[in-house]
Amino acid sequence: EVQLVESGGGLVQPGRSLRLSCVASGFTFDDYAMHWVRQAPGKGLEWVSGISRNSGSIGYADSVQGRFTISRDNAQRSLYLQMNSLRAEDMALYYCAKDMGQWVTDRDAFDIWGQGTMVTVSS
Amino acid sequence: DIQLTQSPSFLSASVGDRVTITCRASQGISSYLAWYQQKPGKAPKLLIYAASTLQSGVPSRFSGSGSGTEFTLTISSLQPEDFATYSCQQLNSYPLTFGGGTKVEIK
Repeated sequence: EVQLVESGGGLVQPGRSLRLSCVASGFTFDDYAMHWVRQAPGKGLEWVSGISRNSGSIGYADSVQGRFTISRDNAQRSLYLQMNSLRAEDMALYYCAKDMGQWVTDRDAFDIWGQGTMVTVSS
Repeated sequence: DIQLTQSPSFLSASVGDRVTITCRASQGISSYLAWYQQKPGKAPKLLIYAASTLQSGVPSRFSGSGSGTEFTLTISSLQPEDFATYSCQQLNSYPLTFGGGTKVEIK
């Protein structure tokens, strides 16, 4: 079964850090680019970051640039999001999503999504 | 950044109705547009990519059209399982952006 399973969310104080993980199964992980997308409670979807199959190309939303770092470990079939200096506005459900292409520049849609992991930022 | 404006933001319809949702881009994005369906408490599901290509396994009552700055998602005959929120996404340039969503509810 093709599946993405996120973990690592939780309650964190403003200014602190959190690392999200996403484990893939059912497809050849290192053939595809991957992304993080978030959704604040009751709000729409927001693309956060993407990474190409070989980590050679990476992109970030302006809202997280300089604070978040995306990475992947193809041997572990895993995607990560290191989130530093967290703010109240980062509170959201974070989804891991598979790109239909190899490179973040392929302009392909996201065909597989995980169920998400919730990040709550509050003192 | 490319802004995507969806209309309407809310739609009330009956089973069997033909439903059309519009997504307008603030600048031309060729055909680099996708549509997603999201039900409460669930992850988004890809319906359409490249503006008009139906994702495998998606019922043929869903269709997409458009290019440049104006796009539409059409459901030819609304079914009970289609009541959900629909969002468009542009893939033409970074940062990738989504529309605000259209919630389709039962009349």
